[in-house]
Amino acid sequence: GAGVSQSPSNKVTEKGKDVELRCDPISGHTALYWYRQSLGQGLEFLIYFQGNSAPDKSGLPSDRFSAERTGGSVSTLTIQRTQQEDSAVYLCASSRLVSRGQETQYFGPGTRLLVL
Amino acid sequence: GENVEQHPSTLSVQEGDSAVIKCTYSDSASNYFPWYKQELGKGPQLIIDIRSNVGEKKDQRIAVTLNKTAKHFSLHITETQPEDSAVYFCAATSIGGYQKVTFGTGTKLQVIP
Repeated sequence: GAGVSQSPSNKVTEKGKDVELRCDPISGHTALYWYRQSLGQGLEFLIYFQGNSAPDKSGLPSDRFSAERTGGSVSTLTIQRTQQEDSAVYLCASSRLVSRGQETQYFGPGTRLLVL
Repeated sequence: GENVEQHPSTLSVQEGDSAVIKCTYSDSASNYFPWYKQELGKGPQLIIDIRSNVGEKKDQRIAVTLNKTAKHFSLHITETQPEDSAVYFCAATSIGGYQKVTFGTGTKLQVIP
């Protein structure tokens, strides 16, 4: 009965370095989302994976951001050449498609990224 | 695409009073409206949801209403308690190639003991 897990829980890096954030969705969930939440702000959609379909990358803010989902399960969000404005909480969510247009997303605890 | 507006951004109530958070959406094709509660340092957690074929849903002290004609939905919390203090997000799904969820900007609720 494990929920969505994310690692690391906190990451401090220097400007210009690359970082990788990991998300383990709930077993059996075919959909996986990445969001970014800046301090005191709402949820900014980044990318969506659904089964074997091509991911929706429309929310990625720049080409420094990329994500992969291997084997339809674990996902990695990579930020290259990090900038201070990348500092935020990165949230992952997964869902089991209930019916078209209706689904419940279950969120992980997030990774808090601080770029110095 | 879908646009969800949420009001108020902050809300303070006395313990025991009711709290109401309102959201509007733009896409008439949206048919699922979840509400999430986010406590400090944690990810959002689903607290209640409503589907388009229902006008109201209640779960203990929490209720959600939906007016599809006016394209707005609301969260009602009665008999508020200090542990209700958190940030609440509404959301809506827009039917398209897949079920992308659009979130409101959040309401920070403070329940004063």
